[in-house]
Amino acid sequence: AQRVTQPEKLLSVFKGAPVELKCNYSYSGSPELFWYVQYSRQRLQLLLRHISRESIKGFTADLNKGETSFHLKKPFAQEEDSAMYYCALRGGGYQKVTFGTGTKLQVIP
Amino acid sequence: AAGVIQSPRHLIKEKRETATLKCYPIPRHDTVYWYQQGPGQDPQFLISFYEKMQSDKGSIPDRFSAQQFSDYHSELNMSSLELGDSALYFCASSSNTDTQYFGPGTRLTVL
Repeated sequence: AQRVTQPEKLLSVFKGAPVELKCNYSYSGSPELFWYVQYSRQRLQLLLRHISRESIKGFTADLNKGETSFHLKKPFAQEEDSAMYYCALRGGGYQKVTFGTGTKLQVIP
Repeated sequence: AAGVIQSPRHLIKEKRETATLKCYPIPRHDTVYWYQQGPGQDPQFLISFYEKMQSDKGSIPDRFSAQQFSDYHSELNMSSLELGDSALYFCASSSNTDTQYFGPGTRLTVL
């Protein structure tokens, strides 16, 4: 079974402060990990995936297989980063994407 | 706690047939989102409804239509099915807290 855990429902940080959104996963094989962002009442948008190792809007995430984590980080939070963030996992083949419960990031001006 | 319910869980259809997928949101949730996840692909947003009105539209084919009913459940109607429509269709619901809660999905196989 695959599982994604986001322990924080709400994370409030001041503008310019570092951000780390935590994500832990459970999967027996080699998963693909993703981060999605949802701005208020809008669709989910793919933010980044671990296999591309790219930085989007200043966010990065490193897959740590030893700790089964895929934390999302940004060195300096901006007000426009305020949104819901979902960590997601996809196992191999035809397995569906499993989403975490989401973390609401609130950047305080 | 009640979760998002989707029915059926599995559906097998033949080309050119019609399918209807149903999504029952968590009670008191007013927004429903539909996503399509093809084999080995990322979920693609199809369409969403807020208070029974379409609120956003994504890559939904013209052969598909959807609506949200007065009890807030939603149905995705798919006509003239093609092999490429085989996918996992899942919906999510939310209230004004914005957190989306995802259903288990309906796996559609078109033969």
